[in-house]
Amino acid sequence: DAGVTQSPTHLIKTRGQQVTLRCSPKSGHDTVSWYQQALGQGPQFIFQYYEEEERQRGNFPDRFSGHQFPNYSSELNVNALLLGDSALYLCASSLMDRGRNGYTFGSGTRLTVV
Amino acid sequence: AQSVTQLGSHVSVSEGALVLLRCNYSSSVPPYLFWYVQYPNQGLQLLLKYTSAATLVKGINGFEAEFKKSETSFHLTKPSAHMSDAAEYFCAVSDRTPNGKLTFGQGTILTVHP
Repeated sequence: DAGVTQSPTHLIKTRGQQVTLRCSPKSGHDTVSWYQQALGQGPQFIFQYYEEEERQRGNFPDRFSGHQFPNYSSELNVNALLLGDSALYLCASSLMDRGRNGYTFGSGTRLTVV
Repeated sequence: AQSVTQLGSHVSVSEGALVLLRCNYSSSVPPYLFWYVQYPNQGLQLLLKYTSAATLVKGINGFEAEFKKSETSFHLTKPSAHMSDAAEYFCAVSDRTPNGKLTFGQGTILTVHP
C-alpha cells in the first residue's frame, strides 16, 4: 500500500520565480495538509485541503496557494520566491471522518531558493 | 492557541541508557498530543499519540509517553537506547476537531553513544 508520495524530492529555484510542489495522498485518504520545515525548526502548518477546498490555513502569506484535485492529490504553489522560502515542504494525508488526526507524512520536497 | 515547548534541543545518551525527551504544551482546549521521529532527509514518522484514552501511551520501537494534565506535559521515554534511535524527535499538539492542524515543537536531536 503506497504511502504519501511527493515530487520532486529536490528543487532549486531563483528568487522571484514560482514553484509547484505535488503530493499524492496515501490510498484511502481524502485530506491533504502542507507543512513548511525550515532548517533546524519544527514543521509549520501552511494549509489543509478537503473536498477540493482550503479548510484551514496557517499564518502564511497569499504567495502560498494550493489546490486539490478530484483524485485527492494536491499541489502547493509559491509565487515570488524569497530566500526565506528555502525549506523542506512536507505533505501529510489523512481521512477526514476518522478524526483523531491520524496523519501520514511524505518524505518531503527540499526547496532551495538562490 | 496552542504551543509546544521541547526542553533541550540536543540530548545525548549511551547505548542501553534511559531516553527521556521532554515536552510541555499549552492549549486552551483538551488536546491530542503526538510524538514524531525524523531521520535525516526523511519525513515524519508517528511514534505514538494521545487521544484521551489511557494516559500512558505505548508506541513503536519501545517508546512510551505519559500525559500529565496537571503538569501539561507529555514526555517521551524509552528504557534502553539503541543506536538506531539516533534521530530528531518532535512533539506536537492539535485540538480535537477532525484533522485539526498540528503545532510542533522545535525538536530534540537525540544522539546515542556506543
